[in-house]
Amino acid sequence: DVKVTQSSRYLVKRTGEKVFLECVQDMDHENMFWYRQDPGLGLRLIYFSYDVKMKEKGDIPEGYSVSREKKERFSLILESASTNQTSMYLCASSRDGQGNTIYFGEGSWLTVV
Amino acid sequence: AQKITQTQPGMFVQEKEAVTLDCTYDTSDPSYGLFWYKQPSSGEMIFLIYQGSYDQQNATEGRYSLNFQKARKSANLVISASQLGDSAMYFCAMRGSGGSYIPTFGRGTSLIVHP
Repeated sequence: DVKVTQSSRYLVKRTGEKVFLECVQDMDHENMFWYRQDPGLGLRLIYFSYDVKMKEKGDIPEGYSVSREKKERFSLILESASTNQTSMYLCASSRDGQGNTIYFGEGSWLTVV
Repeated sequence: AQKITQTQPGMFVQEKEAVTLDCTYDTSDPSYGLFWYKQPSSGEMIFLIYQGSYDQQNATEGRYSLNFQKARKSANLVISASQLGDSAMYFCAMRGSGGSYIPTFGRGTSLIVHP
């Protein structure tokens, strides 16, 4: 059974804290993605990675960074959390190609106070 | 650039009836894939159905079917015999080939099934 695991389901952090969201996939997928989901805005792409140590900015990268040191792990980092980063974060992975399904983790609900 | 439009923020349907969720897309890519996902209140994204741009027949998966009209650039999801457990957010997505393989999602449609 395919699996994308996000390390934290619910987090509450203070403004200015550094936040790490971890994502691990067990399917040997090349592509990994971080999305942010807000009501009425759908899923917006923050960063993606198509290979180890490779990363590309998505539509809303400001305030975020990522790390992919191993193929199975893709981490999202909020260097200094702000209240407007309160949101649901979804990690996803897939193989290359337009016909390949995108698999999601369960999501991480982050609240910044 | 790819774009997905879901014009229905919310839909209501009676249990056991059929419902159609609209999705239109825009792309200059001749080869692409279209996906539908279901997101219950728990937050997980569940893959429902896939349609390739060169597929001759509409995709079906159990109670789900995809009404693919290529000329109109639409990929509507049809749920037959709605169940209470179908109440959820539904997202349409696409990904192209080559440089446009990044999945693009619509804003979603909230479906509520009434008993």
